[in-house]
Amino acid sequence: TQLLEQSPQFLSIQEGENLTVYCNSSSVFSSLQWYRQEPGEGPVLLVTVVTGGEVKKLKRLTFQFGDARKDSSLHITAAQPGDTGLYLCAGPNTGGFKTIFGAGTRLFVKA
Amino acid sequence: DAGVIQSPRHEVTEMGQEVTLRCKPISGHDYLFWYRQTMMRGLELLIYFNNNVPIDDSGMPEDRFSAKMPNASFSTLKIQPSEPRDSAVYFCASKGTSPYNEQFFGPGTRLTVL
Repeated sequence: TQLLEQSPQFLSIQEGENLTVYCNSSSVFSSLQWYRQEPGEGPVLLVTVVTGGEVKKLKRLTFQFGDARKDSSLHITAAQPGDTGLYLCAGPNTGGFKTIFGAGTRLFVKA
Repeated sequence: DAGVIQSPRHEVTEMGQEVTLRCKPISGHDYLFWYRQTMMRGLELLIYFNNNVPIDDSGMPEDRFSAKMPNASFSTLKIQPSEPRDSAVYFCASKGTSPYNEQFFGPGTRLTVL
């Protein structure tokens, strides 16, 4: 069974701090997605990483896909209150059409 | 371009009542997914459709749940009879031609069964 484990489960930091959240699996994924979910809304796709070792940047967010395509990380530089939300990593199952979601990292950035 | 539309946004009902949740996917998307999200269990896939045909309903918790997609622009998730443990946020998502299974979620329906 393919599983995605995210850590930490919860993170509360001050505005301006840097942070990294992790998404790990014992299985190889053909791609991984990161979503952000704000309170009262649905998850919104941030990025897809496809190639082992790939790094993608989205403003202050940096996403990395592990060389073996079993893990990914999300680094936020100088966090802002607007970054508050639930960060979910997700990947396609072996068949490709169902998506496996991690349990998420709940981030709270205090002003 | 409109995103995924869900209605109602909030539903409060009493145990035993029938509940119907509605979803309009993004035009042109040929996959539609229904999820349930709770604090305890996270995001769970209930069922998904491809070209209006149910492909995998293994996540549907029990026979009280049913889903239909009569056409490419409309889907329903029905719970009959509803129970308090069905209280959750239900999301609909759709996917287009991306090879990476990228999904676009609606705003969700928050269901409370008293």
